[in-house]
Amino acid sequence: DTEVTQTPKHLVMGMTNKKSLKCEQHMGHRAMYWYKQKAKKPPELMFVYSYEKLSINESVPSRFSPECPNSSLLNLHLHALQPEDSALYLCASSQDQGASEKLFFGSGTQLSVL
Amino acid sequence: AQSVTQPDIHITVSEGASLELRCNYSYGATPYLFWYVQSPGQGLQLLLKYFSGDTLVQGIKGFEAEFKRSQSSFNLRKPSVHWSDAAEYFCAVAPYSGGGADGLTFGKGTHLIIQP
Repeated sequence: DTEVTQTPKHLVMGMTNKKSLKCEQHMGHRAMYWYKQKAKKPPELMFVYSYEKLSINESVPSRFSPECPNSSLLNLHLHALQPEDSALYLCASSQDQGASEKLFFGSGTQLSVL
Repeated sequence: AQSVTQPDIHITVSEGASLELRCNYSYGATPYLFWYVQSPGQGLQLLLKYFSGDTLVQGIKGFEAEFKRSQSSFNLRKPSVHWSDAAEYFCAVAPYSGGGADGLTFGKGTHLIIQP
């Protein structure tokens, strides 16, 4: 199994809602990532988990809250988002957190904030 | 800090024709270099990567890339494109030492259009 599975594929939420994005991989990877991608732009790194511990937070607003319950799962909890947070949210994983590591990406969750 | 430049925002190629997508990087030493492809509404898929050794790297789907230190370039090529190659292509660089995959810097991407 070489897949990173993200759910849901699409999400529409209001600014007062609370929702969660989920990501799962069964490749035994120890590093997992959240990226945000606006239309026609490259992905921007948000968070990195390594061995289930948060190792990188790229100054992301607190309305985004990551969680790594175990080595296979990565969640992104959303609360009080703004319309400018509408984007494709990509999860990725790699064997480890090394610079040479190949990233495996999920298909993303297309988020619209109304 | 490293940076990546993809000079072409859009490229249009006829099906069956050859393709070259340009990528230039800026870094103090030889970095790790990657090409990723993204189909509409999908995540990114690694096409190939270069760390050291042979400067001509073979990847998946018939793609190859050549590292040229003197030009700080890592251009992606394919001898004959197929309609299914239409996608967004990202060049990326990571520092050779220190940092991690979190240090990956993406270029702005090149949108490839295939004409029948």
